[in-house]
Amino acid sequence: GAVVSQHPSRVICKSGTSVKIECRSLDFQATTMFWYRQFPKQSLMLMATSNEGSKATYEQGVEKDKFLINHASLTLSTLTVTSAHPEDSSFYICSARDPTSGSPDEQFFGPGTRLTVL
Amino acid sequence: DQQVKQNSPSLSVQEGRISILNCDYTNSMFDYFLWYKKYPAEGPTFLISISSIKDKNEDGRFTVFLNKSAKHLSLHIVPSQPGDSAVYFCAASIGGRGSNYKLTFGKGTLLTVNP
Repeated sequence: GAVVSQHPSRVICKSGTSVKIECRSLDFQATTMFWYRQFPKQSLMLMATSNEGSKATYEQGVEKDKFLINHASLTLSTLTVTSAHPEDSSFYICSARDPTSGSPDEQFFGPGTRLTVL
Repeated sequence: DQQVKQNSPSLSVQEGRISILNCDYTNSMFDYFLWYKKYPAEGPTFLISISSIKDKNEDGRFTVFLNKSAKHLSLHIVPSQPGDSAVYFCAASIGGRGSNYKLTFGKGTLLTVNP
């Protein structure tokens, strides 16, 4: 099946620093990738939709200047949390669509990145 | 406003018995529904899906039932196995191929299958 990787798996940073999270589709080309965050015992909340070669589409309430998304190639999307604060501490998960998949709405998820901002 | 609701935060079942996980939705525009399984500190794994033109889809031990009039779907796992213990998320999307494939997730149900 399709494999999506994320790096790093966990990161601890100081308040005010920026953190970059990478999401890669390993065995397929993903024209669309998605970024989610999940708080404990909560749902996965979609932050933004990342389309290769174009600007990301952000969900309502998500600050585009704070969460910078770049989808420079068909296999890589990055999320940069700029000037991170403790309230940004969360579990960030990316997903990717395989356009050749038999299920058009199926997304393949990465293992997630645990961000802790001190 | 929670458009996809999983009202049971947890469910405990004996091994070999049936597990029934429920999901309700409010947006009548949803036309594709998916179930994902998630272990702690991992990303969700796709389990099974169903289109709104169907009322049942089966894959091995997993069956999803859709009741459009009630805006309700359920996932049946039979027989349940200890390895099925995980959080199960219900998700829904609008428009399929014509949409941006955005998924709306419920809060999840923690299933524990006891040996």
